[in-house]
Amino acid sequence: AAGVIQSPRHLIKEKRETATLKCYPIPRHDTVYWYQQGPGQDPQFLISFYEKMQSDKGSIPDRFSAQQFSDYHSELNMSSLELGDSALYFCASSSRKGSGRVEQYFGPGTRLTVT
Amino acid sequence: GEDVEQSLFLSVREGDSSVINCTYTDSSSTYLYWYKQEPGAGLQLLTYIFSNMDMKQDQRLTVLLNKKDKHLSLRIADTQTGDSAIYFCAERFGDYKLSFGAGTTVTVRA
Repeated sequence: AAGVIQSPRHLIKEKRETATLKCYPIPRHDTVYWYQQGPGQDPQFLISFYEKMQSDKGSIPDRFSAQQFSDYHSELNMSSLELGDSALYFCASSSRKGSGRVEQYFGPGTRLTVT
Repeated sequence: GEDVEQSLFLSVREGDSSVINCTYTDSSSTYLYWYKQEPGAGLQLLTYIFSNMDMKQDQRLTVLLNKKDKHLSLRIADTQTGDSAIYFCAERFGDYKLSFGAGTTVTVRA
């Protein structure tokens, strides 16, 4: 079965640079979530989109922005990168229709390293 | 997450049962989840339970929910070396977002 796809899988950036992370949800899923997992920590919710509209916002820095496009893929844009932004960034997707509205499936993550 | 607590480590012998415990604070949570994370990998959804249930069984996995005490547990029967991983419990609240516990590192020894 198709899973959530994230690209790139690894990214190395320098301080103050920008980064763009991409997420392709499971086909027919209408909701995308972004989470940040620091080293040795649990995933923290950043932001979510439902039908291309922002549906919820968590602890996302103002330097970050995200959007969901007409094909339901999502991009997380990160500017003025800081060392503390080094983390594993997960995208998850779900469907709010029918019985699929319970499960939230995660992608493999993008490991961002800021030097 | 600050609202979900788990013990950090569990060591179990191969073939024994593992029990991972979790407590949560949001009584309005509708669903509670267990995810598995192997080193360097993503989060794999293992199972979930609806808040009006008290037990759910899925092959080697048994989830128990005590809603009164806000206590959730995951039992893995006949634990195998491939079960070594970090296990996260998570509660769903608000607009479908998940709040995770700190994760329990399960080590299976021969």
